[in-house]
Amino acid sequence: GESVGLHLPTLSVQEGDNSIINCAYSNSASDYFIWYKQESGKGPQFIIDIRSNMDKRQGQRVTVLLNKTVKHLSLQIAATQPGDSAVYFCAETVFGNEKLTFGTGTRLTIIP
Amino acid sequence: AAGVIQSPRHLIKEKRETATLKCYPIPRHDTVYWYQQGPGQDPQFLISFYEKMQSDKGSIPDRFSAQQFSDYHSELNMSSLELGDSALYFCASSLGGGYTPIGNQPQHFGDGTRLSIL
Repeated sequence: GESVGLHLPTLSVQEGDNSIINCAYSNSASDYFIWYKQESGKGPQFIIDIRSNMDKRQGQRVTVLLNKTVKHLSLQIAATQPGDSAVYFCAETVFGNEKLTFGTGTRLTIIP
Repeated sequence: AAGVIQSPRHLIKEKRETATLKCYPIPRHDTVYWYQQGPGQDPQFLISFYEKMQSDKGSIPDRFSAQQFSDYHSELNMSSLELGDSALYFCASSLGGGYTPIGNQPQHFGDGTRLSIL
């Protein structure tokens, strides 16, 4: 079936540097994408979303880029902080299909 | 801001027992979703309800059932529990079945119920 996956399972970044987490999706019909952050013992926390009619969206310290041509999604975190350490998931859905399909998470570790 | 509330946070059961997990969505949210997350895995969609009606179904075993009540809270009922059912169970809520006239509405998750089967 269709799936969403991440290129790297782990990522270590120096505190203060920028982080880039990548995600490849396979369902060309997907038109809505969400990035979630999951800390240990907690549920996925909404970070930012993007619709397929956009290729970039910015939030507070985060930017999501969408390249529909190659079916690629990325999450950029600026000036990473220790509190950014978590597992990050991308998720996709198709309009009218409510369920989210999650990719394999990337564990982000911030090095002090 | 109020978030999704799940109870209990932890639950220990034995094989062949039953369990009921509860989910209270964010106020005004009319849609709830259930997901199962195994150790080191991504969440897998189980089932969803919009305005108290089942709206989508994923990889939910026949031993499991769920419903959404008039106050929009939802319960996931699990019977004949197996060792493989040990997992984190998350509930998420959104507005308008995930889509409203102003566009997609993201799902917001609770902190889950950790179910352990002995």
